Amino acid sequence: DAGVIQSPRHEVTEMGQEVTLRCKPISGHNSLFWYRQTMMRGLELLIYFNNNVPIDDSGMPEDRFSAKMPNASFSTLKIQPSEPRDSAVYFCASSFDRGTSGELFFGEGSRLTVL
Amino acid sequence: GENVEQHPSTLSVQEGDSAVIKCTYSDSASNYFPWYKQELGKGPQLIIDIRSNVGEKKDQRIAVTLNKTAKHFSLHITETQPEDSAVYFCAAIIQGAQKLVFGQGTRLTINP
Repeated sequence: DAGVIQSPRHEVTEMGQEVTLRCKPISGHNSLFWYRQTMMRGLELLIYFNNNVPIDDSGMPEDRFSAKMPNASFSTLKIQPSEPRDSAVYFCASSFDRGTSGELFFGEGSRLTVL
Repeated sequence: GENVEQHPSTLSVQEGDSAVIKCTYSDSASNYFPWYKQELGKGPQLIIDIRSNVGEKKDQRIAVTLNKTAKHFSLHITETQPEDSAVYFCAAIIQGAQKLVFGQGTRLTINP
C-alpha cells in the first residue's frame, strides 16, 4: 500500500495567489481529514469527510479556505487568496472509520510558504 | 470543547534512560487516547493507544498509563535509543463532536 499521498510536497507562492493542495487517501478508507501544523498552534483539524461528505468544517479558518472530496480517492484543499499567515505544513490523513477510535494514517505533508 | 495539555514541550535524555511525557484532558466523556510519533519531514504515525476501560498498555519498550479520575495519561519509553528522537503527540477524542484533539507536542532528543 502506498499510503496517503499528498502533493505538492513544497509550495512557495506570493500573497494573493491561489493555492491548491491535493490528497489521495488509502484505498478502502472512508474518512479523510485535513490538518494544519504550525509552531504556534500545533496540529489543528481543519475539516473532515466521511464517505466523501464534509462532516465538520468548524476548523476552517475563514472563507478563503475551501475543501472538496469529489470521490473516494481524491480531495483538495484550496486557499484563495493566500496570505503569509497561511504558511504552515498541511497534512491529509485517512482512516477506515471516522478516526474516533481507530488509527489515522497521515501523508507526508505539504509545506506551504506564502511570501 | 475538549482541551489537551501536554508536558514537557522539550525533553532530553541520555540513551538508555527512560522518558516520560504527560497529558491532561478536560472532557470526562473522552474514551480514546492515542499517541503519535512524528519524525522530521514526515507525518505523525500512531505508536500506541489506550481506551478508557484499561489503566495501562505495553508494547515492547513503550507503555501508556491512564488515570480517568485525574483525567491524565502518560507515555513511558524505556531503554531509549537514538531512533526514539522525534516529536510525540498525545490526543483525546471529543466524544460528542467525534474528532481527535491533539496536544501541543513534545520534542524528545536522545543523547548518545
